[in-house]
Parts: sequence; C-alpha cells; structure tokens
Amino acid sequence: QVQLQESGPGLVKPSETLSLTCSVSGGSVSSSTYYWGWLRQPPGKGLEWIGNIYHSGRAYYNSSLKGRVTMSVDSSKNQFSLKLTSLTAADTAVYYCARAGPYDDYGLFDPWGQGALVTVSS
Amino acid sequence: QSALIQPASVSGSLGQSITISCTGTSSDVGNYNLVSWYQQHPGKAPKLMIYDVSKWPSGVSNRFSGSKSGNTASLTISGLQAEDEADYYCCSYAGSSTVVFGGGTKLTVV
Repeated sequence: QVQLQESGPGLVKPSETLSLTCSVSGGSVSSSTYYWGWLRQPPGKGLEWIGNIYHSGRAYYNSSLKGRVTMSVDSSKNQFSLKLTSLTAADTAVYYCARAGPYDDYGLFDPWGQGALVTVSS
Repeated sequence: QSALIQPASVSGSLGQSITISCTGTSSDVGNYNLVSWYQQHPGKAPKLMIYDVSKWPSGVSNRFSGSKSGNTASLTISGLQAEDEADYYCCSYAGSSTVVFGGGTKLTVV
C-alpha cells in the first residue's frame, strides 16, 4: 500500500526557510488520479491545511500563508516538497504529508505520513 | 477561509452513542458534499474515518457514520468503545481547490 515519509530539519531559525520532503512508496507522485498535500499541527492545536500539488506541478495554497509557501514535485525521485519562508515561532508544528483525492474528492487525505516536528527557534 | 466550528469536547459512556457537530457556511459545508472526518490519537497521524459526508473508507467500522444538514455536518459514533477516545476533526471543501478544517473535538469515553 502507499506509504509516505516526511524528512527535513527539526530546528530552523526565525526568518529562515523551511524545506521538507515527502518520499512516497507503493505509489507514484506522477499519478493522474491522486494528488499530494501538506498539512500541519501546532503543538496542542488543530490541523491546518497548507496546500495541495498535482503531478503537473500545479499547486493550490492556503491563503493564510500569504505567499510564503511553495510546493514542488520530483517525479524522478518519487517525492514532493514544501518550502515555507520567513519563519516565525508560529510556524512551529508537526508537518504532515498526505495523499489527496482521488480526482476532485477534496478534503480526502489518506494515507498520511507519520509527521515531522519542526521547531522555529534561535 | 475561517475554520469550521466544532465543540471543544464531548463525552459519552461505553456502549452509548455520541454526535460531534461541524458548522461551516454556505461557502463550504453547505455548498458541497465533500466533508470528511479524521480521528487522531495522541502522538499519531490523523486517520480518515468518513469522506464525502457519509462514506466509509475500507477498514473503518460502520459504528462511525456521517451526515449533513444545511451548513452543519455531523459525525455519530455508536456503541462507544474505549479505543474511540481521541480527537476528531472535520474537513470541508471550500471552493477554488482549497479545504478548511474544524478546530477539533476531544472525545472522552467514561
């Protein structure tokens, strides 16, 4: 079955850029049926959708992140990535990647990666 | 987009039924039959329990059921079991390829 695994630094300094990668196994990021999402959860708080990206590279983002987010797909490595700039302490969270869809079944995220805790601190 | 509104906590006894509400607007919950529910145990990733308002993913117990009326979606858990104690989140399509989550509800089984 499809499995996802997040990777990236656990500690990032304020004002710097966070880069996370999600490695997919048992499935292909090039699928035309599914697409791929990033979500996050600050400690003790609820889930927040960050954005989705399609195999074509077309991406949709949460407007609350105000242009700080960029997603990309690397089909050769079967991975997709997240970049979040101008970090503040409010970006401290567990970051999850997930498979989304199929097709236009928005809000359907399954399965999820195990999550990666990112702390923003100097 | 504003977060969907869920009660902060609900509780129920073993074997009983409980319902968690998820209130949105005519721009999200009320306009699309694309509401999903997630269960999250402490320290674990969320798990999909219901999608498209009332459909079950493979392997999910039919003790979990979903419904929608107007701008409010609901998750009902019947025959409460100890392992149902967890946080539950609703999620809805909000148009323009975006989604919005609820704030989460902590279910306590007493």
